[in-house]
Amino acid sequence: DIVMTQSPDSLAVSLGERVTINCKSSRSILYSSNNKNYLAWYQQKPGQPPRLLLYWASSRESGVPDRFSGSGSGTDFTLTISSLQAEDVAVYYCQQCYSTPCSFGQGTKLEIK
Amino acid sequence: EVQLVQSGAEVKKPGESLKISCKGSGYNFPTYWIAWVRQMPGKGLEWMGVVYPGDSDTRYSPSFQGQVTISADKSISTAFLQWSSLKASDTAMYYCARLKVDYSGSYNFLDFWGQGTLVTVSS
Repeated sequence: DIVMTQSPDSLAVSLGERVTINCKSSRSILYSSNNKNYLAWYQQKPGQPPRLLLYWASSRESGVPDRFSGSGSGTDFTLTISSLQAEDVAVYYCQQCYSTPCSFGQGTKLEIK
Repeated sequence: EVQLVQSGAEVKKPGESLKISCKGSGYNFPTYWIAWVRQMPGKGLEWMGVVYPGDSDTRYSPSFQGQVTISADKSISTAFLQWSSLKASDTAMYYCARLKVDYSGSYNFLDFWGQGTLVTVSS
């Protein structure tokens, strides 16, 4: 099974500052046939279900603010929030579906400093 | 509008059986895989398995194989997750979600989620 490891486990950032969350897979999740990384990012606010933010590592889901972006390929990926807003307080998860069973990172808790 | 509406919270005793549901609307339910995801109290997300309502094809994560049964009834646009004998360790929030699959049949991502069903197992 592919293991997904996020870093850090938690972070506190000031409003308006840049946020970077990392996700590393235990092996490459890049499909050579279509050049897509099977990596998604989700946001889970307290008391709510997860919400899809990004898929294929860098494609933004409809309705997601453009301050959220994703990058990386192969085994190393990054979620970036360009300017932190109060409503971004949440736990963020990465997920791979390159091989089954799909698997999630352990989550990164984001708070306001 | 795509919606997945899950059944309400349950409180059960160890050894009891349970079946929870996830009803889809706003899209062609039989043609999308549905995934079940567990979230234990204060913990992260765990992939349990998937079902294709069109033909009831079901795939389980090895961690959950034999522990739960996943099924679907396309005539009522509903997927199910059931236990034959609950344990205290089954206490968790359970989410269903629609799974995007690409042209090659590869799983991609979960684009719509139900609101979750909280299952509490306690004597």
